[in-house]
Amino acid sequence: GDSVTQMEGPVTLSEEAFLTINCTYTATGYPSLFWYVQYPGEGLQLLLKATKADDKGSNKGFEATYRKETTSFHLEKGSVQVSDSAVYFCALSQAGTALIFGKGTTLSVSS
Amino acid sequence: EPEVTQTPSHQVTQMGQEVILRCVPISNHLYFYWYRQILGQKVEFLVSFYNNEISEKSEIFDDQFSVERPDGSNFTLKIRSTKLEDSAMYFCASSVLQGAYGYTFGSGTRLTVV
Repeated sequence: GDSVTQMEGPVTLSEEAFLTINCTYTATGYPSLFWYVQYPGEGLQLLLKATKADDKGSNKGFEATYRKETTSFHLEKGSVQVSDSAVYFCALSQAGTALIFGKGTTLSVSS
Repeated sequence: EPEVTQTPSHQVTQMGQEVILRCVPISNHLYFYWYRQILGQKVEFLVSFYNNEISEKSEIFDDQFSVERPDGSNFTLKIRSTKLEDSAMYFCASSVLQGAYGYTFGSGTRLTVV
């Protein structure tokens, strides 16, 4: 079945460092891909999405590009802030059906 | 901004007891979902609900689980006889349209079965 694999955390960075969180997927067909973020004590929030190959999703300085050839959707940010500390989930969905999530990666940014 | 509200935020129950987790979806949303996350594991889909019936469910959602929209406002998940392995964070979500594009998630209920 379809699945999502994320890099293991936690990821610990200093403020203004470059962030990459790796995500790869296994799926039949052409799923939509998502990054969700969970800040401490809050629910899951959609951070960005991409619905077809080579699409780039972006939001709040975060970017991810849908790479069909490598089945990847890596999350990047050029300069992280302390307020970016959260758990980040990669997810996919086929044709509007249920989301399939990765395990989540905890990001901790220190000043 | 509209929110999905879940109560309680944390519930402790004895093994074998029934629990009901409550959610208030966004008022104009039509599709409702339950997900769960066992500590350290993936967020897993349990069930989706539309027009007062289950539209999709996973293998996890067995006869011990049920969902209901009792009053047009609340959306509940019932576990009839809890097991230790039901301990997890349970997330409710709602959306206007079917599918992943417009999900709004609640903050979750942490269920601990002892």
